[in-house]
Amino acid sequence: KAGVTQTPRYLIKTRGQQVTLSCSPISGHRSVSWYQQTPGQGLQFLFEYFSETQRNKGNFPGRFSGRQFSNSRSEMNVSTLELGDSALYLCASSLGTWRQQYFGPGTRLTVT
Amino acid sequence: EDQVTQSPEALRLQEGESSSLNCSYTVSGLRGLFWYRQDPGKGPEFLFTLYSAGEEKEKERLKATLTKKESFLHITAPKPEDSATYLCAVQVNLQGAQKLVFGQGTRLTINP
Repeated sequence: KAGVTQTPRYLIKTRGQQVTLSCSPISGHRSVSWYQQTPGQGLQFLFEYFSETQRNKGNFPGRFSGRQFSNSRSEMNVSTLELGDSALYLCASSLGTWRQQYFGPGTRLTVT
Repeated sequence: EDQVTQSPEALRLQEGESSSLNCSYTVSGLRGLFWYRQDPGKGPEFLFTLYSAGEEKEKERLKATLTKKESFLHITAPKPEDSATYLCAVQVNLQGAQKLVFGQGTRLTINP
C-alpha cells in the first residue's frame, strides 16, 4: 500500500510570492492534516480536512489556506510569502478523525 | 492552553544502555497520545497510540506507557539504528474536530 506522497519535495521561492503544495493521502484515508515544522517552533498544526471540509484550523494567519478534493487529495497554499515561512511542511492522512495519522516525507520550502 | 513538554531535549546512550524518555502534558479534552519517530529529512513515523491511563504498548525494543499526566517511552538495550528524534503528540478535541499538539521532541543518539 502506497504511503502519503507530497509534491514537490523541495521548493525555493522569493518573498512576496505565493506557493501551492500538494498531498496525496493513503488510499481510503479521508482525513488530511497539514503541519509546519521549524527548528524553533517544532511541529505546529495548520488545518485538517475531512470529506472536502475544513474541520479545524491552527493559529496561523489567513495567508495559509487549503482545500481538499473529492478524491481526498489536498493542497495547501501560502500567499505573500515571508522569510519566516521557510519550513518543512508535512501532510498526514488518517482513516478518520481520532485515528492515528500517517505522515508524508514533507515539502521543504525555502523563502529568500 | 494545551501544552506538551518532552524531556530530555537530547540523550546520548551507549549501545545496550536502557533509558526512558518523558512526555508530560496539560490539555483539555484529551482523546489519545501518540509517539512518533522522525529521522533527519523525513516525516514522522507512527509508533504507538495510547488512550487511557495504565495502558502499555510494546514494539521490539520500545515500550510506551501512559498515566493521567505523562507518558514514558522506554528503550531497552538500544542499537545505533534507534538513533532518531522521538516525538510525543496529544490528540485533543476542539469542538468536534481533532488537533494534534506536539512536544519539541527528544533527540536520541545511540553510540556503538
